[in-house]
Amino acid sequence: ELKVEQNPLFLSMQEGKNYTIYCNYSTTSDRLYWYRQDPGKSLESLFVLLSNGAVKQEGRLMASLDTKARLSTLHITAAVHDLSATYFCAVGDAGSGSRLTFGEGTQLTVNP
Amino acid sequence: NAGVTQTPKFRVLKTGQSMTLLCAQDMNHEYMYWYRQDPGMGLRLIHYSVGEGTTAKGEVPDGYNVSRLKKQNFLLGLESAAPSQTSVYFCASSSDRVTEAFFGQGTRLTVV
Repeated sequence: ELKVEQNPLFLSMQEGKNYTIYCNYSTTSDRLYWYRQDPGKSLESLFVLLSNGAVKQEGRLMASLDTKARLSTLHITAAVHDLSATYFCAVGDAGSGSRLTFGEGTQLTVNP
Repeated sequence: NAGVTQTPKFRVLKTGQSMTLLCAQDMNHEYMYWYRQDPGMGLRLIHYSVGEGTTAKGEVPDGYNVSRLKKQNFLLGLESAAPSQTSVYFCASSSDRVTEAFFGQGTRLTVV
C-alpha cells in the first residue's frame, strides 16, 4: 500500500525567507503532483513531475523529484504573504492505474 | 470554460437519507474521480472512472455508489447517509492517467 508523508504539516515563516516542504512516499511511483489549496477553495495544480531528476519552477516555487530516494521537495524562495495556503503532494503508484494517494498537506502561513 | 462543476455546493442530510452529488466537466476528459477531504487526512479517493460506462473502487468506497452514463458526468450516490460521511467532497477530471487532474469547487456535506 502506497503511503505518502509530508513534512512539516504546519509551517509559519516570515516574508522574504526560504523554506522547503518534503514529500516522502513508500513505493515505486511514476508520477507526482503538487497542488495548492486556499481555505474553503478547490485544489489548483502547481507541478507535474514525471521522471527522476525532474525540476520545475513557477515564480517563487520550485519542485523536484528524486525517484530513487522516493522524495519530492517544494522549495519556497523569498516567501510572500500570497503564498499562504495548504500544499499537497499526490503520488501515483506505478502499478495502480490512475489512482493517486495524497499527503496530509502542509499548511503554510507567511507572516509580514 | 466552466471546467469541473459540482452540484450542490452545500447540503445537510439526516441520518439514513439518500442523495446524489453531480459532477459535470466540459473538457472532454476521459478520467473522473470522487474524493473526500477530512481534516488532517488529505484527500482520499472514493471511486473513479476511466471512461464512459466504467467505474472502479478507490481507497474508501464503502457507503457510496457511482455512475458514469455520459462522458461528461460522474454521479456519486449515498444510499443511506451516516454521520461518518460528513465531509467535503471533490470531483476531479483528467485527460489521461498522467496529466494533472482539475478539481471542482467541492460539496460540503453534513449528516446529522
